[in-house]
Amino acid sequence: GAVVSQHPSRVICKSGTSVKIECRSLDFQATTMFWYRQFPKQSLMLMATSNEGSKATYEQGVEKDKFLINHASLTLSTLTVTSAHPEDSSFYICSARGASGRNYNEQFFGPGTRLTVL
Amino acid sequence: DAKTTQPPSMDCAEGRAANLPCNHSTISGNEYVYWYRQIHSQGPQYIIHGLKNNETNEMASLIITEDRKSSTLILPHATLRDTAVYYCIVRVARFGPGTRLSVLP
Repeated sequence: GAVVSQHPSRVICKSGTSVKIECRSLDFQATTMFWYRQFPKQSLMLMATSNEGSKATYEQGVEKDKFLINHASLTLSTLTVTSAHPEDSSFYICSARGASGRNYNEQFFGPGTRLTVL
Repeated sequence: DAKTTQPPSMDCAEGRAANLPCNHSTISGNEYVYWYRQIHSQGPQYIIHGLKNNETNEMASLIITEDRKSSTLILPHATLRDTAVYYCIVRVARFGPGTRLSVLP
């Protein structure tokens, strides 16, 4: 299957700082990328959907000015958590989807980024 | 709205078949059924998917009822490493709570 990487895998930051998380599709062109947040013992919560070259679509309740998403190329999307606070501590996961074909709806997931805000 | 219903947890003895059910009674005609699993602190892993025919791969089998309102994921010989949360998805990118499968020695 296709490979999606995330960087960093873990990050610890001070309250008030911004953190950028990268999501890369290594061997295919990802026209759509999804960003999730997951709290302990809970399911994945979709934060936003981004299509290459256009603005991300945020889910209800997700602050677009706090969680900045950029999908400037077919292989890279970034999530920036601005002015992070302890309540933003979570496991952030990205996934990518290709352009077409039988597996159009299949998502390829990154390994996740553990964010801890002190 | 994940459009799926799964039991919150299940146990299975090591070496036995694990049968994980999923109800998706409002599935649309062109929506696929996808199964993923997530081992603690990792990204979800694709298992299998299908539209209306039963499917089998090296990991599992997927049985979809004729009316497509439910499906069952079958792990034929569960191992301890199959302990994970299993998600059934019909609406792209929308995850429900999933089933926490514990494979017991």
